Amino acid sequence: ILNVEQSPQSLHVQEGDSTNFTCSFPSSNFYALHWYRWETAKSPEALFVMTLNGDEKKKGRISATLNTKEGYSYLYIKGSQPEDSATYLCAFSNRDDKIIFGKGTRLHILP
Amino acid sequence: GAVVSQHPSWVICKSGTSVKIECRSLDFQATTMFWYRQFPKQSLMLMATSNEGSKATYEQGVEKDKFLINHASLTLSTLTVTSAHPEDSSFYICSARDPQFGQGHYEQYFGPGTRLTVT
Repeated sequence: ILNVEQSPQSLHVQEGDSTNFTCSFPSSNFYALHWYRWETAKSPEALFVMTLNGDEKKKGRISATLNTKEGYSYLYIKGSQPEDSATYLCAFSNRDDKIIFGKGTRLHILP
Repeated sequence: GAVVSQHPSWVICKSGTSVKIECRSLDFQATTMFWYRQFPKQSLMLMATSNEGSKATYEQGVEKDKFLINHASLTLSTLTVTSAHPEDSSFYICSARDPQFGQGHYEQYFGPGTRLTVT
């Protein structure tokens, strides 16, 4: 059974602090790892797509790393701002064109 | 960037009735669209892949006669929940793939979702 685990489920971070969370996925038959940001009442927004072991991607204060051999990815947010409050979804897709989403990490930035 | 709209954003219907949800790609042509369902505190679960001009491909456990998908044009896919029951109450969300990025699950653009409540 293909499973994607995200931890923690929920996270409260003080504004200005940095934070990170994890996505674990099957290491076999890997094709791509996706990160999305999902704000309430809006569409999930693609942050990163990573395909190669060791990939690191950055978008402003947000960055992500990928380890396909051990099956995990980290998302980092530097200097958290209120607008970072959202649910961050991780999704794994394999070579059979299957995509599996995690349950998400809900991030709350405290003023 | 690519925009996908979904309508309605929420709907309440009575048990036994049918409900249609529309998914539109507004600024690109989508040969492939995906329909997902999310129950409370669960992950997005792919229900079916909708291909323009052909039959949808349903995931295991999803009843194709209950969840009718029509992808009649390159910008519109519809999901009809037929004879809805309270257990069909869920959050339904679609996504569209921009074909310029090729196959696979690259560059999916999501709609904002539809909250269905069946009473």
